Amino acid sequence: GDSVTQMEGPVTLSEEAFLTINCTYTATGYPSLFWYVQYPGEGLQLLLKATKADDKGSNKGFEATYRKETTSFHLEKGSVQVSDSAVYFCALSDQAGTALIFGKGTTLSVSS
Amino acid sequence: EAGVAQSPRYKIIEKRQSVAFWCNPISGHATLYWYQQILGQGPKLLIQFQNNGVVDDSQLPKDRFSAERLKGVDSTLKIQPAKLEDSAVYLCASSLDGARAFFGQGTRLTVV
Repeated sequence: GDSVTQMEGPVTLSEEAFLTINCTYTATGYPSLFWYVQYPGEGLQLLLKATKADDKGSNKGFEATYRKETTSFHLEKGSVQVSDSAVYFCALSDQAGTALIFGKGTTLSVSS
Repeated sequence: EAGVAQSPRYKIIEKRQSVAFWCNPISGHATLYWYQQILGQGPKLLIQFQNNGVVDDSQLPKDRFSAERLKGVDSTLKIQPAKLEDSAVYLCASSLDGARAFFGQGTRLTVV
């Protein structure tokens, strides 16, 4: 079945460092891909998404590009802030309306 | 816009007891999901409703878990009897069109 694999955490960075969190997926069709973020004490929030190959999702300085050839959707940010400390989840949906399939999550901790 | 409301936020019960969780989705959202998130893992779908009909309950342990969505609005998820391995965060999410899911803050269940 469909699945999502993301890099193990925790990831610990200094403020203004470059961030990459790797995510790869397995799917039979052409899924939509998502990054969700969970800040301490809060619910899951959609960070960005891409619905077809070569699409780039972006939000709050974060970016991810849908790469069908490598079945990847890596999350990047050029300069992280302390406020970016959170758990990040990569997810896919194999068609509109179907439930999300999540990776295990990656904890990011940014220090000043 | 009000978000997805869940209650209670925390619950501690003994094994073999029963427990119920409540979810009020965003007004007008036809699709409602219940997810289980075990510590250190990503959320896993338990059941998906479209209005008051079940779309997918393939991963719901039906011998102990049940869910309903009366009148296509609020939903309750029940566990009876609870086991130690049911300790998790139970997340409710809703979606208007299936393209984006909005999550509640979740109910943290501890079974002792």
